[in-house]
Order: sequence, then C-alpha cells, then structure tokens
Amino acid sequence: DGGITQSPKYLFRKEGQNVTLSCEQNLNHDAMYWYRQDPGQGLRLIYYSQIVNDFQKGDIAEGYSVSREKKESFPLTVTSAQKNPTAFYLCARSIGDRSEAFFGQGTRLTVV
Amino acid sequence: GQNIDQPTEMTATEGAIVQINCTYQTSGFNGLFWYQQHAGEAPTFLSYNVLDGLEEKGRFSSFLSRSKGYSYLLLKELQMKDSASYLCAAMDSNYQLIWGAGTKLIIKP
Repeated sequence: DGGITQSPKYLFRKEGQNVTLSCEQNLNHDAMYWYRQDPGQGLRLIYYSQIVNDFQKGDIAEGYSVSREKKESFPLTVTSAQKNPTAFYLCARSIGDRSEAFFGQGTRLTVV
Repeated sequence: GQNIDQPTEMTATEGAIVQINCTYQTSGFNGLFWYQQHAGEAPTFLSYNVLDGLEEKGRFSSFLSRSKGYSYLLLKELQMKDSASYLCAAMDSNYQLIWGAGTKLIIKP
C-alpha cells in the first residue's frame, strides 16, 4: 500500500452532510497532502501539511477542513459548504522536497 | 500562470513503442514527474527528471529539456497492462506539484 492507507474506498453521503475521509501513514514521513481528481482535469491540491499541528491551504481549500494532530494521521472533512463534493479524493505522503509522492488507494465520494 | 499540457488520448499497438509528450510552464522548476494511473486506482510513481537528458528504467524512459519546458515518456514493447492514464507533473519553486490532466493510453492487440 506504499505506507499510506485511505478509507473507505467508496463513500456515499446525502447533500448537506459533513463527511470525514481518513488518511493514515506508517512511515513517519512529515509531508502529507490531499488532492481532488475530477474527470478530464489534473489533480488539484486541497490542503497539505509538513509538520504536526500545521497545515496550509492548497488551490481549492474552500469547503474543506483538515487536522494534523498526529504525524501519522491527516483526515479531510468535506463540509456542506463544498458546492460540488462528488469526486475522487487522494491522500499522499512524501519524504520531503523534490521527492515523489506516494498515494493512498483513494476515496470515491458521491453526494446525492 | 502555471500550466501543464499533454495529449488527452493516444492509441498504440501491443508490442510497439509510444511517446507521450508534456510541456510545462511553472514559476521556478524543481523537477518533472511521471505517474501511471489505472482506471479507478491511485497514481503510481514512474520517473523523476531534474536534469536535461534521458533516464531509462526498463521498458520506460523519460526525457527532459528544461530550456524548452518539455518532457516525454517513452514506453517500449507495449503490453496490454500498459493501458492506463499517464500523468505529467512539474514541481514549482515552492516544491508544489502542478499536474497535467493526464493522457489516456489505449493499447490494441
């Protein structure tokens, strides 16, 4: 699994509900990322974190929130403020600058 | 602005060679990555180039020209399992990845 686990793989929620996507890594890496992938578009960065208790907004942070209370965990909450939440969400880890990103299996969120 | 361009779709024949091109414009440059993504799955890392030239890794090779803002991924001896999307991503001066939309490669027998 590349040392990073996302759960669940598929998630269905009703419109207006908040939902939290899990991301855990077991390789003690500092940097973790959340991306969103939509058909025909490149991955877009939602949030990233390089150390515990610190995180930065990416290009499309509106309607999302994260926490980084422990090094191994970086959960993403999709709030009711996100206007178009149905997408494929990918969590990634990296060793640091100039290193490749390793992705979790992804969570496909469908909001109905 | 920052931008990555790659073809939307390509078709090739099993056993043949295919080249997937990528052009990029970023604020600063800290390397060019290629990833493979099978349908419904997460991307997996293929290659990283930061210096000009060709990097060969088995059936896959990746080339970079920094002066031209250009890279390509070369796949040789194509197999049916190579059918996937190939994502190009450039790392900018802030070490953030700028992603292309991906090239869907269809392999025909």
